[in-house]
Amino acid sequence: AQSVTQLGSHVSVSEGALVLLRCNYSSSVPPYLFWYVQYPNQGLQLLLKYTTGATLVKGINGFEAEFKKSETSFHLTKPSAHMSDAAEYFCAVTESGGSYIPTFGRGTSLIVHP
Amino acid sequence: DSGVTQTPKHLITATGQRVTLRCSPRSGDLSVYWYQQSLDQGLQFLIQYYNGEERAKGNILERFSAQQFPDLHSELNLSSLELGDSALYFCASRTGTANTGELFFGEGSRLTVL
Repeated sequence: AQSVTQLGSHVSVSEGALVLLRCNYSSSVPPYLFWYVQYPNQGLQLLLKYTTGATLVKGINGFEAEFKKSETSFHLTKPSAHMSDAAEYFCAVTESGGSYIPTFGRGTSLIVHP
Repeated sequence: DSGVTQTPKHLITATGQRVTLRCSPRSGDLSVYWYQQSLDQGLQFLIQYYNGEERAKGNILERFSAQQFPDLHSELNLSSLELGDSALYFCASRTGTANTGELFFGEGSRLTVL
Protein backbone atom coordinates (compact mmCIF):
# COMPACT_ATOMS: atom_id res chain seq x y z
CA ALA A 1 0.00 0.00 0.00
CA GLN A 2 1.15 3.51 -0.69
CA SER A 3 1.70 6.13 1.98
CA VAL A 4 3.11 9.63 2.33
CA THR A 5 4.90 11.27 5.23
CA GLN A 6 5.40 15.00 5.40
CA LEU A 7 7.88 15.99 8.05
CA GLY A 8 6.83 19.07 9.95
CA SER A 9 3.23 20.20 10.15
CA HIS A 10 4.48 23.81 10.16
CA VAL A 11 7.50 25.38 8.49
CA SER A 12 8.37 29.00 9.15
CA VAL A 13 10.73 31.01 6.94
CA SER A 14 11.60 34.63 6.37
CA GLU A 15 10.73 36.34 3.13
CA GLY A 16 13.57 35.75 0.69
CA ALA A 17 14.80 32.61 2.45
CA LEU A 18 14.96 29.11 1.01
CA VAL A 19 11.81 27.04 1.30
CA LEU A 20 12.21 23.29 1.89
CA LEU A 21 9.18 21.10 2.50
CA ARG A 22 9.88 17.43 3.02
CA CYS A 23 7.98 14.48 1.62
CA ASN A 24 8.80 10.79 1.87
CA TYR A 25 6.68 8.11 0.29
CA SER A 26 6.20 4.40 0.47
CA SER A 27 5.18 2.47 -2.61
CA SER A 28 5.60 -1.10 -3.77
CA VAL A 29 5.72 -0.05 -7.42
CA PRO A 30 7.11 2.99 -9.25
CA PRO A 31 5.23 5.97 -7.91
CA TYR A 32 3.74 9.03 -9.45
CA LEU A 33 4.30 11.98 -7.13
CA PHE A 34 2.47 15.27 -6.79
CA TRP A 35 2.62 18.48 -4.79
CA TYR A 36 -0.56 20.45 -4.30
CA VAL A 37 -1.04 23.84 -2.64
CA GLN A 38 -4.10 25.01 -0.74
CA TYR A 39 -4.55 28.72 -0.14
CA PRO A 40 -6.96 29.84 2.59
CA ASN A 41 -10.59 29.11 1.78
CA GLN A 42 -9.69 27.45 -1.51
CA GLY A 43 -9.40 23.95 -2.87
CA LEU A 44 -6.13 22.22 -3.64
CA GLN A 45 -4.36 23.02 -6.88
CA LEU A 46 -1.44 21.28 -8.53
CA LEU A 47 2.03 22.76 -8.10
CA LEU A 48 3.99 20.09 -9.93
CA LYS A 49 4.18 16.37 -10.56
CA TYR A 50 6.66 13.63 -11.33
CA THR A 51 5.65 10.72 -13.52
CA THR A 52 8.65 9.53 -15.51
CA GLY A 53 11.79 10.99 -17.03
CA ALA A 54 13.70 13.88 -15.51
CA THR A 55 13.81 13.58 -11.75
CA LEU A 56 13.98 17.34 -11.17
CA VAL A 57 10.56 18.76 -11.82
CA LYS A 58 9.72 22.43 -12.10
CA GLY A 59 6.31 23.76 -11.21
CA ILE A 60 4.39 26.97 -10.93
CA ASN A 61 5.42 29.98 -8.84
CA GLY A 62 9.11 29.05 -8.85
CA PHE A 63 8.74 25.77 -6.98
CA GLU A 64 10.60 22.62 -7.91
CA ALA A 65 10.96 19.11 -6.51
CA GLU A 66 13.41 16.29 -7.02
CA PHE A 67 12.45 12.62 -7.08
CA LYS A 68 15.09 10.56 -5.29
CA LYS A 69 14.27 6.90 -5.56
CA SER A 70 17.09 5.77 -3.26
CA GLU A 71 15.77 8.04 -0.52
CA THR A 72 12.07 7.55 -1.39
CA SER A 73 11.75 11.32 -1.23
CA PHE A 74 10.15 14.11 -3.21
CA HIS A 75 11.05 17.29 -1.34
CA LEU A 76 9.68 20.64 -2.49
CA THR A 77 11.94 23.67 -2.70
CA LYS A 78 11.88 27.31 -3.69
CA PRO A 79 15.01 29.48 -3.62
CA SER A 80 13.34 32.61 -2.27
CA ALA A 81 10.10 32.71 -0.32
CA HIS A 82 7.44 35.34 -1.00
CA MET A 83 4.69 36.37 1.37
CA SER A 84 2.20 35.03 -1.16
CA ASP A 85 3.64 31.51 -0.72
CA ALA A 86 2.01 31.21 2.70
CA ALA A 87 -0.35 28.27 2.32
CA GLU A 88 -0.84 24.58 3.09
CA TYR A 89 1.19 22.19 0.94
CA PHE A 90 0.28 18.57 0.33
CA CYS A 91 2.40 15.81 -1.11
CA ALA A 92 0.52 12.97 -2.81
CA VAL A 93 1.37 9.62 -4.38
CA THR A 94 -0.33 7.25 -6.78
CA GLU A 95 1.01 3.97 -8.03
CA SER A 96 1.70 3.24 -11.66
CA GLY A 97 -0.54 0.45 -12.90
CA GLY A 98 -2.91 0.69 -9.98
CA SER A 99 -6.22 2.43 -9.51
CA TYR A 100 -5.89 6.18 -9.48
CA ILE A 101 -6.58 6.98 -5.85
CA PRO A 102 -4.04 9.52 -4.67
CA THR A 103 -2.88 9.19 -1.09
CA PHE A 104 -2.16 12.55 0.49
CA GLY A 105 0.21 13.49 3.25
CA ARG A 106 -1.06 15.35 6.31
CA GLY A 107 0.08 18.66 4.85
CA THR A 108 2.65 21.27 5.84
CA SER A 109 1.65 24.80 6.64
CA LEU A 110 4.20 27.28 5.27
CA ILE A 111 4.46 30.50 7.25
CA VAL A 112 6.39 33.38 5.70
CA HIS A 113 7.62 36.20 7.91
CA PRO A 114 8.37 39.67 6.53
CA ASP B 1 -10.97 28.70 -10.83
CA SER B 2 -10.60 24.93 -11.15
CA GLY B 3 -13.89 24.46 -12.96
CA VAL B 4 -15.22 22.18 -10.21
CA THR B 5 -18.25 23.61 -8.43
CA GLN B 6 -19.39 22.58 -4.97
CA THR B 7 -22.50 23.62 -3.11
CA PRO B 8 -23.20 24.65 -0.46
CA LYS B 9 -19.98 26.31 0.65
CA HIS B 10 -21.03 26.29 4.29
CA LEU B 11 -23.58 24.20 6.13
CA ILE B 12 -24.50 24.16 9.79
CA THR B 13 -26.78 21.45 11.08
CA ALA B 14 -27.57 19.43 14.16
CA THR B 15 -26.63 15.93 15.22
CA GLY B 16 -28.86 13.24 13.78
CA GLN B 17 -29.70 15.25 10.69
CA ARG B 18 -29.04 14.45 7.04
CA VAL B 19 -27.37 16.67 4.46
CA THR B 20 -26.54 16.47 0.78
CA LEU B 21 -23.43 17.98 -0.76
CA ARG B 22 -23.37 18.60 -4.48
CA CYS B 23 -20.51 18.63 -6.95
CA SER B 24 -20.32 19.55 -10.61
CA PRO B 25 -17.07 18.34 -12.18
CA ARG B 26 -15.08 20.14 -14.85
CA SER B 27 -16.63 19.98 -18.27
CA GLY B 28 -15.73 16.66 -19.85
CA ASP B 29 -14.32 15.03 -16.70
CA LEU B 30 -15.86 11.63 -16.10
CA SER B 31 -14.23 10.87 -12.73
CA VAL B 32 -15.38 12.38 -9.47
CA TYR B 33 -13.63 11.91 -6.14
CA TRP B 34 -14.82 12.84 -2.67
CA TYR B 35 -12.38 13.64 0.11
CA GLN B 36 -12.91 14.62 3.74
CA GLN B 37 -10.46 17.06 5.32
CA SER B 38 -10.27 17.39 9.07
CA LEU B 39 -7.59 18.62 11.43
CA ASP B 40 -7.01 15.25 13.06
CA GLN B 41 -7.31 12.99 10.00
CA GLY B 42 -5.91 15.12 7.20
CA LEU B 43 -7.25 14.55 3.69
CA GLN B 44 -9.08 11.22 3.58
CA PHE B 45 -10.37 9.59 0.41
CA LEU B 46 -14.03 8.66 0.63
CA ILE B 47 -15.24 7.41 -2.73
CA GLN B 48 -14.72 7.64 -6.49
CA TYR B 49 -17.16 7.50 -9.37
CA TYR B 50 -16.43 7.13 -13.05
CA ASN B 51 -19.11 7.86 -15.61
CA GLY B 52 -21.89 7.04 -13.20
CA GLU B 53 -20.41 3.93 -11.66
CA GLU B 54 -18.70 3.51 -8.32
CA ARG B 55 -15.03 2.73 -8.91
CA ALA B 56 -13.36 2.79 -5.52
CA LYS B 57 -14.24 3.15 -1.87
CA GLY B 58 -12.03 4.51 0.84
CA ASN B 59 -12.74 5.34 4.44
CA ILE B 60 -16.39 6.10 3.89
CA LEU B 61 -18.77 5.44 6.76
CA GLU B 62 -21.91 3.39 6.21
CA ARG B 63 -23.92 6.49 7.16
CA PHE B 64 -22.50 8.18 4.08
CA SER B 65 -23.43 7.45 0.49
CA ALA B 66 -22.81 9.00 -2.88
CA GLN B 67 -23.89 8.77 -6.46
CA GLN B 68 -23.02 10.22 -9.84
CA PHE B 69 -25.83 11.16 -12.16
CA PRO B 70 -26.07 10.88 -15.97
CA ASP B 71 -25.09 14.53 -16.32
CA LEU B 72 -21.95 13.61 -14.31
CA HIS B 73 -22.69 15.75 -11.29
CA SER B 74 -22.30 13.94 -8.00
CA GLU B 75 -23.91 14.10 -4.59
CA LEU B 76 -22.57 13.01 -1.24
CA ASN B 77 -25.23 12.18 1.31
CA LEU B 78 -24.36 12.26 4.98
CA SER B 79 -26.94 10.95 7.43
CA SER B 80 -27.33 10.48 11.19
CA LEU B 81 -24.75 13.19 11.56
CA GLU B 82 -22.40 13.20 14.52
CA LEU B 83 -20.19 15.94 15.91
CA GLY B 84 -17.17 14.19 14.46
CA ASP B 85 -18.51 14.56 10.94
CA SER B 86 -17.72 18.26 11.07
CA ALA B 87 -15.13 18.75 8.35
CA LEU B 88 -14.38 20.21 4.96
CA TYR B 89 -15.63 17.97 2.17
CA PHE B 90 -13.90 18.27 -1.16
CA CYS B 91 -14.95 17.07 -4.54
CA ALA B 92 -12.36 16.65 -7.25
CA SER B 93 -12.53 15.61 -10.87
CA ARG B 94 -10.02 14.23 -13.30
CA THR B 95 -9.60 14.10 -17.02
CA GLY B 96 -9.06 10.73 -18.62
CA THR B 97 -7.92 7.48 -17.05
CA ALA B 98 -4.14 7.75 -17.00
CA ASN B 99 -2.62 7.52 -13.55
CA THR B 100 -0.43 10.48 -14.31
CA GLY B 101 -3.27 12.96 -14.40
CA GLU B 102 -3.91 15.55 -11.71
CA LEU B 103 -7.03 16.11 -9.67
CA PHE B 104 -8.93 19.38 -9.95
CA PHE B 105 -10.51 20.33 -6.64
CA GLY B 106 -13.54 22.38 -5.82
CA GLU B 107 -13.44 24.92 -3.01
CA GLY B 108 -15.10 22.51 -0.63
CA SER B 109 -18.22 22.37 1.50
CA ARG B 110 -17.61 23.15 5.15
CA LEU B 111 -19.95 21.13 7.35
CA THR B 112 -20.46 22.04 10.97
CA VAL B 113 -22.50 19.67 13.12
CA LEU B 114 -23.71 21.15 16.40
